[in-house]
Amino acid sequence: ETGVTQSPTHLIKTRGQQVTLRCSSQSGHNTVSWYQQALGQGPQFIFQYYREEENGRGNFPPRFSGLQFPNYSSELNVNALELDDSALYLCASSRGTGGRPGELFFGEGSRLTVL
Amino acid sequence: RKEVEQDPGPFNVPEGATVAFNCTYSNSASQSFFWYRQDCRKEPKLLMSVYSSGNEDGRFTAQLNRASQYISLLIRDSKLSDSATYLCVVIPLNQAGTALIFGKGTTLSVSS
Repeated sequence: ETGVTQSPTHLIKTRGQQVTLRCSSQSGHNTVSWYQQALGQGPQFIFQYYREEENGRGNFPPRFSGLQFPNYSSELNVNALELDDSALYLCASSRGTGGRPGELFFGEGSRLTVL
Repeated sequence: RKEVEQDPGPFNVPEGATVAFNCTYSNSASQSFFWYRQDCRKEPKLLMSVYSSGNEDGRFTAQLNRASQYISLLIRDSKLSDSATYLCVVIPLNQAGTALIFGKGTTLSVSS
């Protein structure tokens, strides 16, 4: 519906493993951001990419890393998974300029469970 | 103190009721304010922006009080379809990129 697709939708990992989540942004959007939403909490900003460069980062450790590709799709990588990393990971795309201020288009998210 | 604070609710109201949600933010330099709506197990979606002069969109009215660092959302004539979590959102002035700072959300349940 928003044109932002994420994969996988659900996954289960164990502590210490690594995970890669993927996101295809809405056509025409060159900015992608990632958010972590724990149960009962609002989304928390992880980082943002604009034209393949990270241009903002929230309070997350370096084991959270990302990439944006020339087609503006993106990946979120998390190394050395911890139990507290269990959450819904949301990808959001927006136009760098010209879009409605504050309007992000979110994908349906990837629900990660760490055992 | 959290950057954006909301009463989590839940607010349980009958159809047709008027309900108001409040939100406070801690960073006085914050520049932009919004309400997002998130349905159960779905992604957040922008509901409306919030302006100092107040703004209305149908049954929804949003207001901002910069002096008190306070944002509100009023829903009139509640519908069953209004049942959702309402997220208060702030963009701080000094935040790189366009990071949105979300509150925990206020859950609304409208019953018939």
